[in-house]
Amino acid sequence: EAGVVQSPRYKIIEKKQPVAFWCNPISGHNTLYWYRQNLGQGPELLIRYENEEAVDDSQLPKDRFSAERLKGVDSTLKIQPAELGDSAVYLCASSLRDPGGYTFGSGTRLTVV
Amino acid sequence: RKEVEQDPGPFNVPEGATVAFNCTYSNSASQSFFWYRQDCRKEPKLLMSVYSSGNEDGRFTAQLNRASQYISLLIRDSKLSDSATYLCVVDSNYQLIWGAGTKLIIKP
Repeated sequence: EAGVVQSPRYKIIEKKQPVAFWCNPISGHNTLYWYRQNLGQGPELLIRYENEEAVDDSQLPKDRFSAERLKGVDSTLKIQPAELGDSAVYLCASSLRDPGGYTFGSGTRLTVV
Repeated sequence: RKEVEQDPGPFNVPEGATVAFNCTYSNSASQSFFWYRQDCRKEPKLLMSVYSSGNEDGRFTAQLNRASQYISLLIRDSKLSDSATYLCVVDSNYQLIWGAGTKLIIKP
């Protein structure tokens, strides 16, 4: 069974440019998370989906970040415009409805120059 | 005070030794607890869940102390391959709070 698939693995963009990340969760996992992880820190939740509904987006900087999960399967996270401080690893994770651990994708390492 | 706190380390430990580290949490209503392992430039991977009664998986033992609000991870007979960052996660009604991780370095 394929794990959580993310693309791209790496992205380098200039500030003020838009960028998008894609995530395909494990089949059957209703819950999908987007995290941001800076060096030396734990992952920080950006948004959590239950199927296609965003149930927790309190930490998402909505002025520049947006996300969608059409049809409750794969998801995209967009930043527009990107800022230097957005450089980080963006991780997608999925889980079954009941908590029991989360499976992460390999992440997208974003560098904004 | 951070919601979930861990000693960042690094813990430098000789191969074969036993090492333990704790993770404290502030929300007494927290319901689920996990330990994740993260290798350099890799994604976190679930190491083990932490149950109220404590649980063991091979050389790894996890324990929960609700009264003092901490979880612990014990690694026995440490291997070079155990070198990684260990992150604790506290789940309170699907609000996942992550510690910053404890870096462990096993030396030959």
